[in-house]
Amino acid sequence: EPEVTQTPSHQVTQMGQEVILRCVPISNHLYFYWYRQILGQKVEFLVSFYNNEISEKSEIFDDQFSVERPDGSNFTLKIRSTKLEDSAMYFCASRSLMNTEAFFGQGTRLTVV
Amino acid sequence: QKEVEQDPGPLSVPEGAIVSLNCTYSNSAFQYFMWYRQYSRKGPELLMYTYSSGNKEDGRFTAQVDKSSKYISLFIRDSQPSDSATYLCAMSRQGAQKLVFGQGTRLTINP
Repeated sequence: EPEVTQTPSHQVTQMGQEVILRCVPISNHLYFYWYRQILGQKVEFLVSFYNNEISEKSEIFDDQFSVERPDGSNFTLKIRSTKLEDSAMYFCASRSLMNTEAFFGQGTRLTVV
Repeated sequence: QKEVEQDPGPLSVPEGAIVSLNCTYSNSAFQYFMWYRQYSRKGPELLMYTYSSGNKEDGRFTAQVDKSSKYISLFIRDSQPSDSATYLCAMSRQGAQKLVFGQGTRLTINP
C-alpha cells in the first residue's frame, strides 16, 4: 500500500541552526502539506503546496519556514534558524487531485536544544 | 470558542464495548469530516471520511455527521485492545486546503 515517508524520524539540533525535514509523498498525489504537533497539543496546519507554489499557510508559517519540491518526488520543509519552541512532531501529508482525504507520514520528531 | 472541540479523555472501556467519540465545531462552512487514529509517536492514520451530513459505516466503525447541530461522532463496535489509541477528528471547508483538528481523545480498551 502506498504511503508517505518522512526522514529523518528524529532530528536533534541546536538553537539557531537550520534544519531540513524531508518527505516523499504518495506518487500520484498533487497536494502536499506540512503539519506540526507540539507534545500534548493538537495537530496544527502549517502550509499547503500545489502546482509548485504555496496555496495556503498559517500564521505559524513565518519567514523562518520555507517549503520546496526540489525534484519529482521529494517535498521539504526548511526551518532557517530554529528556536526552542520549534520542538515538535512534524508531519507531512499528501492527497490526490480528486479526493479530499489526506494521508500522513509517520512524522519527524524535531528537538531543538 | 474553539473552532473544533474534542474531549481529550482519557476514556477507558472494557473489551467488546461500544465506544462513542465526539467532536463539536463552530464553523458552519465545514463540509468534509474525517476521523484519524494516532498511536503514540506515530502519524495520524485515516479511518473514516464523510462529506456533509449523514452516516458512513466501515466494518466496526461508523461515522455520523449532524451539520444542524455541528456535531460529529465515531462509533466503534466490538472494541478490541488494538483499538487503544488517540482518535482525532478533523474537518475542512469546501475548497480549503487545510484540515482543522480536534485535540484528540485518548482511548484505552481493557482486555
